[in-house]
Amino acid sequence: DAKTTQPTSMDCAEGRAANLPCNHSTISGNEYVYWYRQIHSQGPQYIIHGLKNNETNEMASLIITEDRKSSTLILPHATLRDTAVYYCIVKRGRRNTGTASKLTFGTGTRLQVTL
Amino acid sequence: DAGVIQSPRHEVTEMGQEVTLRCKPISGHNSLFWYRQTMMRGLELLIYFNNNVPIDDSGMPEDRFSAKMPNASFSTLKIQPSEPRDSAVYFCASERGQGTEAFFGQGTRLTVV
Repeated sequence: DAKTTQPTSMDCAEGRAANLPCNHSTISGNEYVYWYRQIHSQGPQYIIHGLKNNETNEMASLIITEDRKSSTLILPHATLRDTAVYYCIVKRGRRNTGTASKLTFGTGTRLQVTL
Repeated sequence: DAGVIQSPRHEVTEMGQEVTLRCKPISGHNSLFWYRQTMMRGLELLIYFNNNVPIDDSGMPEDRFSAKMPNASFSTLKIQPSEPRDSAVYFCASERGQGTEAFFGQGTRLTVV
């Protein structure tokens, strides 16, 4: 699976958009970009994933560049409860084949949302 | 669904003792992952199963660690004998299949003294 690079930490003011970048320059054609977050002491929580199109759900938006070598997770209106470590993961997969591929976590970005 | 259920939530044991961690995946999910998390090493994938079959156990630290999945609704991670360096939070996760997301349990905090 492709390796990802993320900044170690970021700050964001409450109510503002948090934009978390991720580089995955070695991504291959059948690899998806996944984002998870881990709030202190809890299990990681899925946020969003995509292949090549931009995606949006109730939690966040995912913007993937046309060459797929980088992506940005956007939390449109960050709150204090969004303070967490955010992991960008590249994972092989084709939809609904019934079996999983490796899900490997890097060091992530520690996002601190402040008043 | 109650989500991925891990037990116990906390375990304190003496060095040399056997420890068994348990995981019940979400019903209908056919892939299961075991992770270990420490401050020094972050989240490490230990092993994962597809359809109850171990696919990749390259992350299992050594022979003291073993994992089984006897059926689709239950998995164990066993450490025998345990050592203080095994102290960590152990997470279990399950996934329905490729292209879907994994759901994590709340973890088991293991302390070996």
